[in-house]
Amino acid sequence: ELKVEQNPLFLSMQEGKNYTIYCNYSTTSDRLYWYRQDPGKSLESLFVLLSNGAVKQEGRLMASLDTKARLSTLHITAAVHDLSATYFCAVEGPGSGYALNFGKGTSLLVTP
Amino acid sequence: SAVISQKPSRDICQRGTSLTIQCQVDSQVTMMFWYRQQPGQSLTLIATANQGSEATYESGFVIDKFPISRPNLTFSTLTVSNMSPEDSSIYLCSVVGDFADTQYFGPGTRLTVL
Repeated sequence: ELKVEQNPLFLSMQEGKNYTIYCNYSTTSDRLYWYRQDPGKSLESLFVLLSNGAVKQEGRLMASLDTKARLSTLHITAAVHDLSATYFCAVEGPGSGYALNFGKGTSLLVTP
Repeated sequence: SAVISQKPSRDICQRGTSLTIQCQVDSQVTMMFWYRQQPGQSLTLIATANQGSEATYESGFVIDKFPISRPNLTFSTLTVSNMSPEDSSIYLCSVVGDFADTQYFGPGTRLTVL
């Protein structure tokens, strides 16, 4: 069974600071996704990572993938309040036909 | 990208009743899924909605409780049958993009069972 673990589950950080969210998964994966969810809203796709060493950046967010370590990171640079949300990583298991296994999510609060 | 709509957006239902949730996509898609997000929790896959054949259910979910229809490549329904308060959740459909670039999620249906 594919397991996905995120940490931390809760993160309070000051504006302007940097931080990293970690996502570990237990078996080989075809794809790894990062999503953002605002309260009461659906999921917004942030990144899809396909191969070892993949790095993608959008604004203050950068995601990377190490398939050998089965680890993905979501790095936040110079946080701003608008980044406050819950961030999920999700992993597509081998042969799963695109079905996703989600981590528990990281609830991020950026304070002044 | 795919634009997904769901109906209803929310509902409050009585124990023992059933609710059918609709998912409509603005383009034909091959892969469509139904997920559940219990309050304050992550998402759990219920089933893969297969066009023209029976849905494929994940462990812990059964067809009698969550019957799914997929009559064509743009539409699916999920029924939550004989509801109990434990079924109170957000139910989301998702589809795989044209080039399998990502998965898109619908806005969700927030269900409360009293």
